[in-house]
Amino acid sequence: GESVGLHLPTLSVQEGDNSIINCAYSNSASDYFIWYKQESGKGPQFIIDIRSNMDKRQGQRVTVLLNKTVKHLSLQIAATQPGDSAVYFCAEAFPYGQNFVFGPGTRLSVLP
Amino acid sequence: DTGVSQNPRHKITKRGQNVTFRCDPISEHNRLYWYRQTLGQGPEFLTYFQNEAQLEKSRLLSDRFSAERPKGSFSTLEIQRTEQGDSAMYLCASSFSVYVAGEGLGYQETQYFGPGTRLLVL
Repeated sequence: GESVGLHLPTLSVQEGDNSIINCAYSNSASDYFIWYKQESGKGPQFIIDIRSNMDKRQGQRVTVLLNKTVKHLSLQIAATQPGDSAVYFCAEAFPYGQNFVFGPGTRLSVLP
Repeated sequence: DTGVSQNPRHKITKRGQNVTFRCDPISEHNRLYWYRQTLGQGPEFLTYFQNEAQLEKSRLLSDRFSAERPKGSFSTLEIQRTEQGDSAMYLCASSFSVYVAGEGLGYQETQYFGPGTRLLVL
């Protein structure tokens, strides 16, 4: 399949370590945030979401943290596995809006 | 496969030709979105449908672009008089929007993306 994000920022982590991917969002009025994972040749895949009335939400091996003061979102992946290698995008949505705005993406590379 | 499907997966065309892409959403989803993605960038919103009604269009969607969703089922995206700058991945996503009172702030939806159609305009 084709490559996604040839010139994206890259985060390299050792297999088994924890990964932290950061995202700065643009609109202080955004109230819904989503993290997506995109592998080569595939569409983005939903990972986890969070509303602005929360500052932390946990899923299976993933945690999203939201800091509204500095408009910052992070995705933590515990015990990173080779299958986690992909490009990760954050997206924000405005109240009652349907226009999801995606960030530029970060490539996660898991080293054996 | 009950996910979002898109056809064709790849399209090569000459500048000036018209192309049409199809998206079949997850059957019970009421919303359908079109995005465009270029290498190194996140998806950019183009337009979305609530059932058969096209409710929002991005300024990126020039008059050469038109989208339809007859009967609120599948959707087509047509690009007329293609230009080299139209070369990109065109992604479709569908979702079911639901009000989540317990979360305190209203609508919640998860967008499920299709595999995309890669367009190359020569």
